[in-house]
Amino acid sequence: LAKTTQPISMDSYEGQEVNITCSHNNIATNDYITWYQQFPSQGPRFIIQGYKTKVTNEVASLFIPADRKSSTLSLPRVSLSDTAVYYCLVGDRDSSYKLIFGSGTRLLVRP
Amino acid sequence: DAGVIQSPRHEVTEMGQEVTLRCKPISGHDYLFWYRQTMMRGLELLIYFNNNVPIDDSGMPEDRFSAKMPNASFSTLKIQPSEPRDSAVYFCASRYEWGRGHTEAFFGQGTRLTVV
Repeated sequence: LAKTTQPISMDSYEGQEVNITCSHNNIATNDYITWYQQFPSQGPRFIIQGYKTKVTNEVASLFIPADRKSSTLSLPRVSLSDTAVYYCLVGDRDSSYKLIFGSGTRLLVRP
Repeated sequence: DAGVIQSPRHEVTEMGQEVTLRCKPISGHDYLFWYRQTMMRGLELLIYFNNNVPIDDSGMPEDRFSAKMPNASFSTLKIQPSEPRDSAVYFCASRYEWGRGHTEAFFGQGTRLTVV
């Protein structure tokens, strides 16, 4: 499994755009990049997944550079309810079945 | 679908007692995962099943832990005997396979286990 590195924590204010970067230097050719969000006292929730370039959905955008050694989760105009832990997962069809979570990034959104 | 359903939501038991956690995955999902989450160790994968068959139980901490999936709609995680260090939130998750990559997994609300 490709090892991922994320900041332990980040602070932001309501209305700002938040970018959380994940490093995965040894990502393999078949690996996908997936992000999950976890609120206190809840299980993780899928946010977005991508392989290369840019992916956007109603919740977030995921930017993946050409070398794919990192990825950036972008949350536009965050609100207090976006306070959560965000996990970056990297894996291919076989390894990603195991859904191994790292330490994640604890995002705190302030008023 | 009601999502992944776990029971009980909270469990308090005495050290040495047997504890059974239950999970009902989303209908049609062919993968089921059991996780344990603590402040110290984060979210740990204990075991996962594919089509009711255990595929990888390398995360199960020791022989006191066992998991079964007798059919596609039910799984149990049993701890016997329980110890205070087993206190944690236990999550069950399910997903289905399609194509390449990694489809989204759906998590239950978790069972908060306290062993005193």
